[in-house]
Amino acid sequence: AQSVTQPDIHITVSEGASLELRCNYSYGATPYLFWYVQSPGQGLQLLLKYFSGDTLVQGIKGFEAEFKRSQSSFNLRKPSVHWSDAAEYFCAVGANGNKLVFGAGTILRVKS
Amino acid sequence: EAEVAQSPRYKITEKSQAVAFWCDPISGHATLYWYRQILGQGPELLVQFQDESVVDDSQLPKDRFSAERLKGVDSTLKIQPAELGDSAMYLCASQGGSQRYNEQFFGPGTRLTVL
Repeated sequence: AQSVTQPDIHITVSEGASLELRCNYSYGATPYLFWYVQSPGQGLQLLLKYFSGDTLVQGIKGFEAEFKRSQSSFNLRKPSVHWSDAAEYFCAVGANGNKLVFGAGTILRVKS
Repeated sequence: EAEVAQSPRYKITEKSQAVAFWCDPISGHATLYWYRQILGQGPELLVQFQDESVVDDSQLPKDRFSAERLKGVDSTLKIQPAELGDSAMYLCASQGGSQRYNEQFFGPGTRLTVL
């Protein structure tokens, strides 16, 4: 069965510092991978997705993610974090029937 | 910009009572999802509709949960009777187009508290 692991429950970074959020997936075939962001009291917003092709994917708000098949990973990165990036981030893998299987999320705190 | 609407935003109920949540997807989106997000966890799919038909309800606790999308547009998720463990955020998402894994657009959710 498909599964997603986000090893870090909380991460705190200083404003302006770089960010990397980890995601590992389990899936038998070529995965469809996603990163979503959820601000407090709001729904999820898609940051980026990987289906095939270039393994480095660019998303909105300056985020990027790199698919590494050998490591079963799809880590999210941002070179310089802004205070407005504080939120919860979810990695997801596409499963059978078009549905998504989400990880447990990583809460990002940004300190000034 | 088109959005997925959900109501109510917050609901407090006592256990054994009935509750209902409503979702209005983005116009023209044929696929509609209901997810449950327990605090500290990621969303988990409860039910998926394609137009008015249920595609996947394998994770829906059918003894107490029901979902319908009668005209293939808006949808209602009902819990009867509610239990303490049902306290969670209930998210609705809609998806358009025919390609696999087109973007799912999420509503703001309904936060349910069962006392």
